[in-house]
Amino acid sequence: DARVTQTPRHKVTEMGQEVTMRCQPILGHNTVFWYRQTMMQGLELLAYFRNRAPLDDSGMPKDRFSAEMPDATLATLKIQPSEPRDSAVYFCASGLARIGELFFGEGSRLTVL
Amino acid sequence: GQSLEQPSEVTAVEGAIVQINCTYQTSGFYGLSWYQQHDGGAPTFLSYNALDGLEETGRFSSFLSRSDSYGYLLLQELQMKDSASYFCAVRGGFKTIFGAGTRLFVKA
Repeated sequence: DARVTQTPRHKVTEMGQEVTMRCQPILGHNTVFWYRQTMMQGLELLAYFRNRAPLDDSGMPKDRFSAEMPDATLATLKIQPSEPRDSAVYFCASGLARIGELFFGEGSRLTVL
Repeated sequence: GQSLEQPSEVTAVEGAIVQINCTYQTSGFYGLSWYQQHDGGAPTFLSYNALDGLEETGRFSSFLSRSDSYGYLLLQELQMKDSASYFCAVRGGFKTIFGAGTRLFVKA
């Protein structure tokens, strides 16, 4: 049963700490997306990759966020230093470039105190 | 840029039909998708329209008019389990942008 896997599912940290979230996309999918969801902002696109190449990360605060895809089975989203306003659920999704359907992971719920 | 508008909330009665509208602005439009999200869960795919017209999948149907930059999701024979948030999403190039979501409340 193919699915997108995200870790950690929950993370509580203190302001200023580094946070790394990981995503294993579905094998064979060539696009990977990172979204952030808060009550106020809905699903906000942070970054996306095609064939591991970053195509757009204009949605990310560049000074503290970074997204990478070191290989086809791993995408990472890093926040350094974290701030309370980063508290949200972070979703990873994968899909095929020419197909409209995205498959979402269960999300990483981040709380920054 | 890209933007989508959909109603924030809709309430309907069990067994009824409800339509959730979505208007969008984008460059390089490829298609309009709909996703369902229950509280505490992840968005799950419902439908995708790349061409004008109606797509039907069981109790759910989705419509697209590219000339009007408009689409809707139609839910028939509403059930309590349909209470959730529904997102329209526009695909432009490789990027998929989501609307703010419509919260559907189904009453008994």
